[in-house]
Amino acid sequence: DAGVTQSPTHLIKTRGQHVTLRCSPISGHKSVSWYQQVLGQGPQFIFQYYEKEERGRGNFPDRFSARQFPNYSSELNVNALLLGDSALYLCASSQDFANTGELFFGEGSRLTVL
Amino acid sequence: KQEVTQIPAALSVPEGENLVLNCSFTDSAIYNLQWFRQDPGKGLTSLLLIQSSQREQTSGRLNASLDKSSGRSTLYIAASQPGDSATYLCAVIPYNQGGKLIFGQGTELSVKP
Repeated sequence: DAGVTQSPTHLIKTRGQHVTLRCSPISGHKSVSWYQQVLGQGPQFIFQYYEKEERGRGNFPDRFSARQFPNYSSELNVNALLLGDSALYLCASSQDFANTGELFFGEGSRLTVL
Repeated sequence: KQEVTQIPAALSVPEGENLVLNCSFTDSAIYNLQWFRQDPGKGLTSLLLIQSSQREQTSGRLNASLDKSSGRSTLYIAASQPGDSATYLCAVIPYNQGGKLIFGQGTELSVKP
């Protein structure tokens, strides 16, 4: 079975641009969460989507948005990029809303903002 | 507010040594605790999941324990190998916060041949 897949794996943008990151969860998983990991720190929660609805949002500005599609894949969008948005963006999937079971992560999308 | 702390931040050991990584959390109201491994520049690989009603989980050379009352978890690695070199992260899922994971900052482990 395929694990969580993310694209693109690496990308470079300049300040003020927009970026879209994509995630496909494990087959049968309905919950997708997004995390930002800055170098040397643990991941920080950005969003959770379950059954195509936003179920949780972390302490991130409105420049960050996301959505989940009928096939449970998800997009993370970041507008007006800042240098501080440079990070590894991780997607995680699980079967249930409360994530009481195991969470599985993708390899991440490495974003560099110049 | 739930906070997760991992000590030490970095650890270097000779091959073959048994070692313990520590994780502490401030609020015992959690669904579960999960340990992950992260290789440089890579995503997270799940190692062990401990439900709040459990005390420990084992997988191969790894053993994780959970003491909710004291807000502590340990990851025990037996007979360490150079291939175990990575950053180890623990994370908890608090009650009533949906499925949000709260991570520690990780312990960077280096196992020397």
